[in-house]
Amino acid sequence: DQQVKQNSPSLSVQEGRISILNCDYTNSMFDYFLWYKKYPAEGPTFLISISSIKDKNEDGRFTVFLNKSAKHLSLHIVPSQPGDSAVYFCAAPYSNAGNMLTFGGGTRLMVKP
Amino acid sequence: KAGVTQTPRYLIKTRGQQVTLSCSPISGHRSVSWYQQTPGQGLQFLFEYFSETQRNKGNFPGRFSGRQFSNSRSEMNVSTLELGDSALYLCASSLEPGPETQYFGPGTRLLVL
Repeated sequence: DQQVKQNSPSLSVQEGRISILNCDYTNSMFDYFLWYKKYPAEGPTFLISISSIKDKNEDGRFTVFLNKSAKHLSLHIVPSQPGDSAVYFCAAPYSNAGNMLTFGGGTRLMVKP
Repeated sequence: KAGVTQTPRYLIKTRGQQVTLSCSPISGHRSVSWYQQTPGQGLQFLFEYFSETQRNKGNFPGRFSGRQFSNSRSEMNVSTLELGDSALYLCASSLEPGPETQYFGPGTRLLVL
């Protein structure tokens, strides 16, 4: 049973506009979330994270919002650039020790020039 | 600084065979994690090793095993290959536990015929 879900397999956005990628989770014990970006033929790279004690975390063009009551988080990219075209994964650690992550299925973002 | 390297990059095997994949972490990193990525199941955690000890294990059958050597290099082995084992196998290393500090390799793509 997937505990982290990304219901949109793909998203297409015009360059300069906002990209919003969504992620839902079912396990209320998760207290930390991460977003990764993956280009073809490369491994995922860490993008941004958020702790459950916050509802927003910002890093440049990337902002992650967390709504704990809805068990929902979203990644906003503003403005979107063609180089942002990639697959984005949200993830949550299973435990406080180690790097055991559960990932969503990913959303393929295409930013059109 | 060299990144995480995985060998081989591509592999074709037949059902019933066994396979060994190798991961060389970033120099100085002691934690190595393995993930399986398939179109149907997404990214799934296999296991994590830290200082030659398996620290966490995902929900995979016993055909999947791994180990870590004293130089932190890690191998994973899949015995009695099944068609469903066709996947991209990703390795990630980090200096200490902490998902944000994980760096992923490019993966080994395994095709089981």
